[in-house]
Amino acid sequence: DIVMTQSPDSLAVFLGERATINCKSSQSLLFSSNSKNYLAWYQQKPGQPPKLLIYWASTRESGVPDRFSGSGSGTDFTLTIGSLQAEDVAVYYCQQYYSNSRTFGQGTKVEIK
Amino acid sequence: ELQLVESGGGLVQPGRSLRLSCTASGFTFGDYAMSWVRQAPGKVLEWVGFIRSKEYGGTTDYAASVRGRFTISRDDSKSIAYLQMNSLKTEDTAVYYCTRDRSLTHANWGQGTLVTVSS
Repeated sequence: DIVMTQSPDSLAVFLGERATINCKSSQSLLFSSNSKNYLAWYQQKPGQPPKLLIYWASTRESGVPDRFSGSGSGTDFTLTIGSLQAEDVAVYYCQQYYSNSRTFGQGTKVEIK
Repeated sequence: ELQLVESGGGLVQPGRSLRLSCTASGFTFGDYAMSWVRQAPGKVLEWVGFIRSKEYGGTTDYAASVRGRFTISRDDSKSIAYLQMNSLKTEDTAVYYCTRDRSLTHANWGQGTLVTVSS
């Protein structure tokens, strides 16, 4: 299975400041035939199911605020929250769907400093 | 409005079986792959498996941790996806979510159903 490793495990950021979460995969998620990276980001708030934020590594899901952005290619990816809001407190997961056995990262908890 | 409602969770003894259902509404169920994702209490997300739409053969794939014990099926006429869980272990204790997949991602999630495996 492809192993997904997120860093850090948790971070605390001031309101209005930038939050950056990294995700590294054990093998490339870039599919050469279509030049797409098979990487998604999810947000899970306490007591709620996860919500899809980003897919194809950088495509924002409809309705997701533009302060959320995804970048990266191959094995290294980043989720950036441009200006942290109180409602962004959550655990964020990356997931690869390159392989038929999809795997999630261990999650990164984002809190307000 | 799109809805996914899981049911069938509960307390079950180790070694026994349980079948979960995911009843969908608000979209053409047969056009979409459906997945199951679980989350043990206080733990991280774990992909369980998925079933493709009939257009893509209706075939399934599973995580190694459940392969051979769990089976996903679908009834497009009823808009229901199933997760048959056999030979349950204590480590299968989790909230089980069903998802509607789009472009291989989990675009929509149900609220989940709790399965507790304990003697």
